[in-house]
Amino acid sequence: DAGVIQSPRHEVTEMGQEVTLRCKPISGHDYLFWYRQTMMRGLELLIYFNNNVPIDDSGMPEDRFSAKMPNASFSTLKIQPSEPRDSAVYFCASSYLETQYFGPGTRLTVL
Amino acid sequence: AQSVTQLGSHVSVSEGALVLLRCNYSSSVPPYLFWYVQYPNQGLQLLLKYTTGATLVKGINGFEAEFKKSETSFHLTKPSAHMSDAAEYFCAVSDLSGGGADGLTFGKGTHLIIQP
Repeated sequence: DAGVIQSPRHEVTEMGQEVTLRCKPISGHDYLFWYRQTMMRGLELLIYFNNNVPIDDSGMPEDRFSAKMPNASFSTLKIQPSEPRDSAVYFCASSYLETQYFGPGTRLTVL
Repeated sequence: AQSVTQLGSHVSVSEGALVLLRCNYSSSVPPYLFWYVQYPNQGLQLLLKYTTGATLVKGINGFEAEFKKSETSFHLTKPSAHMSDAAEYFCAVSDLSGGGADGLTFGKGTHLIIQP
């Protein structure tokens, strides 16, 4: 299995632009998670899905952030409009039962 | 609410010495506990986990951890450090009492430095 796939690996954009991060979970996994990692706040859970349905989005920082999972093999995290404080590494993880497997992350820089 | 405390943001040991990374948690229900390792510019890799049963769990790369309920701890150890162990280590807790998976709550991480 290729593991969790995320794209792009690096994204540099200007403040105010829309950013879309993509994730392909491991086949057969029914949970998908989005995390954000920053030096100041560490690793934070943003949102997670079970069978494509959002279960808990209480970690989403504000309305500028949205996430979708249109099918079992694809999810997106969108930021619109982006701000410099959104600069971070965004990880996607998937699981079947308790063990989560992480993707390589997307390093987002908002100028 | 769950929380994880990792004592020491940086730990330095000599190659061949014992590695001990400390993790304490708080949880209102029996927790599931995890240790992940992160190498520079990479994602997180599972080292080991405790769910139920034996409190001493063994993981990859010679690491092990012991769940001590009375101390609310899940410290990570390795008898002999190797240069390749240099990385960031994260302890995490999950509440799975409701069945299925749940988001992980992570500690701040411990940067392990191996001195030659």
